[in-house]
Amino acid sequence: RKEVEQDPGPFNVPEGATVAFNCTYSNSASQSFFWYRQDCRKEPKLLMSVYSSGNEDGRFTAQLNRASQYISLLIRDSKLSDSATYLCVVNKKDGGSQGNLIFGKGTKLSVKP
Amino acid sequence: SAVISQKPSRDICQRGTSLTIQCQVDSQVTMMFWYRQQPGQSLTLIATANQGSEATYESGFVIDKFPISRPNLTFSTLTVSNMSPEDSSIYLCSVARLMGQGGNEQFFGPGTRLTVL
Repeated sequence: RKEVEQDPGPFNVPEGATVAFNCTYSNSASQSFFWYRQDCRKEPKLLMSVYSSGNEDGRFTAQLNRASQYISLLIRDSKLSDSATYLCVVNKKDGGSQGNLIFGKGTKLSVKP
Repeated sequence: SAVISQKPSRDICQRGTSLTIQCQVDSQVTMMFWYRQQPGQSLTLIATANQGSEATYESGFVIDKFPISRPNLTFSTLTVSNMSPEDSSIYLCSVARLMGQGGNEQFFGPGTRLTVL
């Protein structure tokens, strides 16, 4: 099983649609979880951290299910500017000060007018 | 978040040569890292750049091939030595900010796009 596995995509959706990305991770000891966004030929940018209780930031909702080792990202009311690759990221070690992040391969989202 | 710059932004190099990439942060940070993103792939951690001591390398990466310097808390360099076409990649530095739960959030520089002929 890959350390971090995501939907392969691409997701092609119309503006205004709701889209959900799923991600599973293999290391049950992982403590930190993130969604990053990467635009074409740009560096990844932190979209949101994912907390055990789930968290929401505007149109974006992230959820974590530790029992199933599953992370999700929901985007409501998609905008053209949401088009990007979304990376599921897990901290390899048990928190701590080391920053070994394991990146999924990403899911490409294309929002069409 | 910190402002991170990298130089050069891109380069085309000949096989067998070496390239040193610089990463500058606008504030002091404890943790700095170097990643590689090969074409069509996701990011892979090369090493943790430790200030005042040798870098900590991940499996598959060695100091002779990727020497790293970290002379202070705002600056680091990564050298890609004796390059081959397989080293063509984007190289990114990142810095970490501690989170309340004990983990950390990482922020990336703009990357250096390297092509080896």
